[in-house]
Amino acid sequence: GAGVSQSPSNKVTEKGKDVELRCDPISGHTALYWYRQRLGQGLEFLIYFQGNSAPDKSGLPSDRFSAERTGESVSTLTIQRTQQEDSAVYLCASSFSVEQFFGPGTRLTVL
Amino acid sequence: DQQVKQNSPSLSVQEGRISILNCDYTNSMFDYFLWYKKYPAEGPTFLISISSIKDKNEDGRFTVFLNKSAKHLSLHIVPSQPGDSAVYFCAASSTGANSKLTFGKGITLSVRP
Repeated sequence: GAGVSQSPSNKVTEKGKDVELRCDPISGHTALYWYRQRLGQGLEFLIYFQGNSAPDKSGLPSDRFSAERTGESVSTLTIQRTQQEDSAVYLCASSFSVEQFFGPGTRLTVL
Repeated sequence: DQQVKQNSPSLSVQEGRISILNCDYTNSMFDYFLWYKKYPAEGPTFLISISSIKDKNEDGRFTVFLNKSAKHLSLHIVPSQPGDSAVYFCAASSTGANSKLTFGKGITLSVRP
């Protein structure tokens, strides 16, 4: 399809393990965003990419979180040494102008 | 500190009636506002937006009103349909294109047949 895709759709991991989440944005969208939504909360901004660079990383909650983007394409969000409070739905969005288009999200559960 | 607030967690309306979803913000630097609709197990879908230079934007059954002096916006859906039942998020941005969005917690709308 032509929309934003994310994988995996669900991930269950044990506390202390590393996880990697993937986002494939809409082709041609230069901007890419990562958000997360914890239970009962709104979406929380994590990081923004313009092309390969990340001019705004202000939402990353700790140095256990990192992200990279290849070209103006795939992005991966890595969480090292996962903690239970990392459990959330992680959403990726891409945009060409102001409106952002979201993927279906990855539901991460840390046991 | 919540910069975008949706104070009502839920709203229930009868099919055919008007749904009014409210949103308040505190950051006066916000200059673009968006509404997203979300079904379970899906990502948010863009619905309608408004720039701070306008006070109203309409798209079919959906109208968004902005009151800058009150830092308040609202989404009107008329007539409401059962398929409109979803979680609606208000979002705001302060630097225009390619800017991060600050979201409210969402409001669950139920439209009764």
